[in-house]
Amino acid sequence: DAMVIQNPRYQVTQFGKPVTLSCSQTLNHNVMYWYQQKSSQAPKLLFHYYDKDFNNEADTPDNFQSRRPNTSFCFLDIRSPGLGDAAMYLCATSYTRQGGNQPQHFGDGTRLSIL
Amino acid sequence: AQKITQTQPGMFVQEKEAVTLDCTYDTSDPSYGLFWYKQPSSGEMIFLIYQGSYDQQNATEGRYSLNFQKARKSANLVISASQLGDSAMYFCAMREGEDNQGGKLIFGQGTELSVKP
Repeated sequence: DAMVIQNPRYQVTQFGKPVTLSCSQTLNHNVMYWYQQKSSQAPKLLFHYYDKDFNNEADTPDNFQSRRPNTSFCFLDIRSPGLGDAAMYLCATSYTRQGGNQPQHFGDGTRLSIL
Repeated sequence: AQKITQTQPGMFVQEKEAVTLDCTYDTSDPSYGLFWYKQPSSGEMIFLIYQGSYDQQNATEGRYSLNFQKARKSANLVISASQLGDSAMYFCAMREGEDNQGGKLIFGQGTELSVKP
């Protein structure tokens, strides 16, 4: 089945140690998103790629970066994780076109813990 | 200002009964989309239903229907015949502007629904 896959499901890293979360999709969608969701809160958009164009949200810390080497893959890099970065990270994709009403399709998320 | 407001942090419903989850939104853009997502305790976000700002009829998807009242800027989710598996967090979300602009979603704070046997 076509889907959005996030690896790993659970990630533990040390304070200050760089970590990379990965997302892949078989939907051939042109837009990929990364959201951060802290406990009991709504998801918050960090950035998204519209094809190869990177769009950063104004309040996303510089500590968070992303790469999209091809249509199928997108990575979230946290350069120096702090305790406040412990959260669920959700990857989503959508296929956007003029006049379309396409929902975003989410992966299962990666739950990041910081020691 | 809050763009999406879900005023019910938690709701209880008896199995097999219907339940309405409230959502109000705020936008000056004439073109927007409204979405409902379900998030079980396992964490994945599951798309349920969509309503476009120009849609004349309320959206329906199986047991889910959206009570769209444009003048009141509300988009309430109605779940009919609740099942135990419906217990989850429910998020209302809005996309402002046309779909071809990248589709950023703004989420409400969510409503935790518990279905009682």
